[in-house]
Amino acid sequence: GENVEQHPSTLSVQEGDSAVIKCTYSDSASNYFPWYKQELGKRPQLIIDIRSNVGEKKDQRIAVTLNKTAKHFSLHITETQPEDSAVYFCAKGGNTPLVFGKGTRLSVIA
Amino acid sequence: DGGITQSPKYLFRKEGQNVTLSCEQNLNHDAMYWYRQDPGQGLRLIYYSQIVNDFQKGDIAEGYSVSREKKESFPLTVTSAQKNPTAFYLCASSLPGTGGYEQFFGPGTRLTVL
Repeated sequence: GENVEQHPSTLSVQEGDSAVIKCTYSDSASNYFPWYKQELGKRPQLIIDIRSNVGEKKDQRIAVTLNKTAKHFSLHITETQPEDSAVYFCAKGGNTPLVFGKGTRLSVIA
Repeated sequence: DGGITQSPKYLFRKEGQNVTLSCEQNLNHDAMYWYRQDPGQGLRLIYYSQIVNDFQKGDIAEGYSVSREKKESFPLTVTSAQKNPTAFYLCASSLPGTGGYEQFFGPGTRLTVL
C-alpha cells in the first residue's frame, strides 16, 4: 500500500503539556484511520480510531482529527502523564490492509 | 488479552535454518496478518490472509512463507532465503480483511539469528 508519513519521529514534553503527532497520506481510497500505542516490549494496542465521515473524535484526554481533503490526520494528547510515554503509530486502511507510519516515540518528562 | 497468541516468545536460529512462528486466534476473525518490526521502521506487512486457504503477499514477502489451513491459525515460516531475519514479528487478526477494522495484535516473537 501507499505510505503514511508520520512526524515527528521523537517527541518530548513536560508532564501536563499537550502532545500532537501528525500523519499524511496520498491515496483517496483510505477511509479508516486508527492510532496504536506500543509500550516497550509489548504489543501495539488501539487507542482511538476515526472514519472518513467524521472530522474529529475524542476519548477523555485523547483526540484525533481528520482532514480528508488535505489528506492528513493528527493525534492530540492533553494533560500528558508519564504513563503516556510509548511509541505511537498511525495507520490508514480501506480496501487494503492497514498501512502503518514509522512511529513516534513520545517521552513525558515528570 | 485479545485472544491472539504467538509462540515462542523468543527464538534463536542458526544461519541456513528455516524456522516457523506460530500464531493462533480464538476471536473468530476472518483475516490474519504478519508484520515485521525493526527499530525506526514501524510495522511492515509480510503476508496476510482474508479467508481460509487463501493468502496474499505484503510489502516484504521475500524469504517468508505462510499457510492458512484453519481459520484459527496462520503460521509464518522464515526461510534461509531471508537474508536479515533478526527482528520482532507480530501477528494480528481482524474481522473482514479489508483495512476498515481494528486489528488485534499478538504478543510477538523476537527472532535472533546467531
